[in-house]
Amino acid sequence: EVQLVESGGGLVQPGGSLRLSCAASGFTFSSYAMSWVRQAPGKGLEWVSAISGSGGSTYYADSVKGRFTISRDNSKNTLYLQMNSLRAEDTAVYYCAKDPFDAYCSGGSCYFWYFQHWGQGTLVTVSS
Amino acid sequence: DIVMTQSPDSLAVSLGERATINCKSSQSVLYSSNNKNYLAWYQQKPGQPPKLLIYWASTRESGVPDRFSGSGSGTDFTLTISSLQAEDVAVYYCQQYYSTPLNSFGQGTKLEIK
Repeated sequence: EVQLVESGGGLVQPGGSLRLSCAASGFTFSSYAMSWVRQAPGKGLEWVSAISGSGGSTYYADSVKGRFTISRDNSKNTLYLQMNSLRAEDTAVYYCAKDPFDAYCSGGSCYFWYFQHWGQGTLVTVSS
Repeated sequence: DIVMTQSPDSLAVSLGERATINCKSSQSVLYSSNNKNYLAWYQQKPGQPPKLLIYWASTRESGVPDRFSGSGSGTDFTLTISSLQAEDVAVYYCQQYYSTPLNSFGQGTKLEIK
């Protein structure tokens, strides 16, 4: 059974940093693309970042580019999101999500899929 | 960027009746080389993460009841619940994965019991 368990959320001041983790089990972690998707309180879903199975290709939404870094440790079956220069508008529940396949990469670009499995999420609150 | 627009924003349907949710993309999400629509539907119940219901616009995920169905092609899609059950109360989202990694979600449709 696929399991994704996020951790690392909490209260942080504007301008601060936080590192989220997503521990994966029940599948061959390195064979699947992964993403972070967030949901502000009472709002809809927003894709944040994606990473290929090898970790060699990473992508970001414009809203977080230059501030957030996605990474993975395939030996530990863990996905990460390093969040720096946090803003009030980054307040949200952050979900890690697993694609049904690895990214398809061709011509210098990678293509991802829908989100087949989701974690329970971890709440990040940016406030002074 | 592809913009996804759902309608209506909220919907109240009687138990046992049909519920229909629409999703329109600002450009086609049909990939001509494989004739597949890169469109998924998710269900999110209060306090829970989203759950995948439908992918490729009309393929039901394993374990999803057959009262849920997806249809449409190109830019216009529909999620239909043939006979509404109490446990179907949720917010429903469509998502295009045609222009990944910059995939995008609709704003959500809240489904309630009338």
